Amino acid sequence: EVVMTQSPATLSVSPGESVTLSCRASQGVASNLAWYQQKPGQAPRLLIYAVSTRATGVSARFSGSGSGTEFTLTISSLQSDDFALYYCHQYNHWLWTFGQGTKVEVK
Amino acid sequence: DVQLLESGGALVPPGGSLRLSCVVSGFALRDSAMSWVRQAPGKGLEWVSAISVSGGSTQYADSVRGRFIISKDSSKNTLYLQMNSLRGEDSAMYYCVKWDSGCGRGTQVTVSS
Repeated sequence: EVVMTQSPATLSVSPGESVTLSCRASQGVASNLAWYQQKPGQAPRLLIYAVSTRATGVSARFSGSGSGTEFTLTISSLQSDDFALYYCHQYNHWLWTFGQGTKVEVK
Repeated sequence: DVQLLESGGALVPPGGSLRLSCVVSGFALRDSAMSWVRQAPGKGLEWVSAISVSGGSTQYADSVRGRFIISKDSSKNTLYLQMNSLRGEDSAMYYCVKWDSGCGRGTQVTVSS
């Protein structure tokens, strides 16, 4: 099983700031890495797949990068709607695995 | 636009069975691999099962292998998850997932007497 480790667990930021979330895979996942956003009571929303491809309708303020085992999600100019839980996810190996999540909260 | 619509969730007693469905639109199911992912209350996301493009290959998490069966009917654009011998720990929101499109709104499964 590929273990996905996200850091930090919580990020406290002010609106307008930029943040970078990290995700490390226990083994290489090629470019098969995605990021999801989830708000309380809602289904996860796909933001990024294939490391850096934004899903349909996702703001350009969200960008993904990385390769191999190290990946990042950057959110620029945070808006109130961006405060949420973020998961990284590898789909390179069956079984798929997810990180434990990084919560982005208002400072 | 790609849409995924899950249904079939319910309250069932331990040992019971349930079949979840996911009707897809905006793409051809026959051309897509698909997965089921679940999320227990207050917990993270857990992959459950996957089916290949052809439908000839299926994969399962250890926690459900031998109890759940994934299948798809491309003529109906519908993905299924047959869930047997249900346990309390299977209680969760279940989502069907396409790797490059995300998931639907989910369907709630509660296993309780």
